[in-house]
Amino acid sequence: NAGVMQNPRHLVRRRGQEARLRCSPMKGHSHVYWYRQLPEEGLKFMVYLQKENIIDESGMPKERFSAEFPKEGPSILRIQQVVRGDSAAYFCASSGGLEQYFGPGTRLTVT
Amino acid sequence: TQLLEQSPQFLSIQEGENLTVYCNSSSVFSSLQWYRQEPGEGPVLLVTVVTGGEVKKLKRLTFQFGDARKDSSLHITAAQPGDTGLYLCAGAPRGTSYGKLTFGQGTILTVHP
Repeated sequence: NAGVMQNPRHLVRRRGQEARLRCSPMKGHSHVYWYRQLPEEGLKFMVYLQKENIIDESGMPKERFSAEFPKEGPSILRIQQVVRGDSAAYFCASSGGLEQYFGPGTRLTVT
Repeated sequence: TQLLEQSPQFLSIQEGENLTVYCNSSSVFSSLQWYRQEPGEGPVLLVTVVTGGEVKKLKRLTFQFGDARKDSSLHITAAQPGDTGLYLCAGAPRGTSYGKLTFGQGTILTVHP
């Protein structure tokens, strides 16, 4: 049973470009979560989604960030007009209940 | 202010020693999870504790959930170099959406051969 998959593992973008991060949950899981880990900081919750619904987006920056989890296909975290401060590791987790299982992360570097 | 305070932040010990990591909060949690994270990888779930006073063992690791469900501890017996890593506690405080995990700042453990 494959774990949570994330791609790309590394992403380099210039300031002002868009970044798209993908997450495929574990088989059978319908809940997806996105977290961000900034250098020298802990993991911070961003958003919680179920299929086609955003359940809790209280951790998402108000501008430039959006997330979706369509009926078919992976969950996408989209960052528009990236800035240097967006450089971080972005982790996706999935669950079928209480416990969350994390993917390997996408390391975004904004130059 | 951290909702979940982990201590110590750094721990450097010799192989064979015992150690305890603490995770404390003023909030009540319906459950707490412990994760271990290697550099460049995502957190790996070690255990979930749900009941106040609960003790769970995973080989040389013992996890305890406080009676009031506000704190937890991780005890490692006879540490090995392979235990080296970042240990994280996490939970969803009562009153928040259960999927919104709050993480402690982590404990970086180094076990020297």
